[in-house]
Amino acid sequence: TQLLEQSPQFLSIQEGENLTVYCNSSSVFSSLQWYRQEPGEGPVLLVTVVTGGEVKKLKRLTFQFGDARKDSSLHITAAQPGDTGLYLCAGGISNFGNEKLTFGTGTRLTIIP
Amino acid sequence: EAQVTQNPRYLITVTGKKLTVTCSQNMNHEYMSWYRQDPGLGLRQIYYSMNVEVTDKGDVPEGYKVSRKEKRNFPLILESPSPNQTSLYFCASSSLVHDTDTQYFGPGTRLTVL
Repeated sequence: TQLLEQSPQFLSIQEGENLTVYCNSSSVFSSLQWYRQEPGEGPVLLVTVVTGGEVKKLKRLTFQFGDARKDSSLHITAAQPGDTGLYLCAGGISNFGNEKLTFGTGTRLTIIP
Repeated sequence: EAQVTQNPRYLITVTGKKLTVTCSQNMNHEYMSWYRQDPGLGLRQIYYSMNVEVTDKGDVPEGYKVSRKEKRNFPLILESPSPNQTSLYFCASSSLVHDTDTQYFGPGTRLTVL
């Protein structure tokens, strides 16, 4: 079973600060997805990256897939209270991309107003 | 509205009493999956299904059964629940047309086995 380690596990920062969350594995994935989960709800997909070195931006969020497709990072610029939540990375294996996903343990982010 | 529904949302039961958690999607998705989420362990896949009558084990299938008789439904069955199956369960679905298709999650079922 592939393992995805996320760091940090918990992060609490002031509104307006920047932050980076990391997702690392010793395994190669065909795709890497990032989700955000809020209390009482299921995870919601933020982005999928499929090419080594790929960078995607979603407003203040920047996602990068490592060149070797073993790791990924999520960078948030000027964090806002609405960014608070549990962030999960998930590595996809197989030609269908998300046929089987392995999830990381998550990063619980709290933005303090 | 495109959605994945799960029932019940909350369930408290006793050891050994068979239960079923239902999952239904209205997006005509081929792929459906069940996960459990536990503190410090993240989401772990229990079973998944690529289409009707096609199911396969995920990472933690022991103690669970599934069936896929219809495309829209993917029930999770616990024949003899035990306390270590106390967890938050999520059903998810997606199309298999593209590699980057979104996986949609249900709202979760919080199960407690006493």
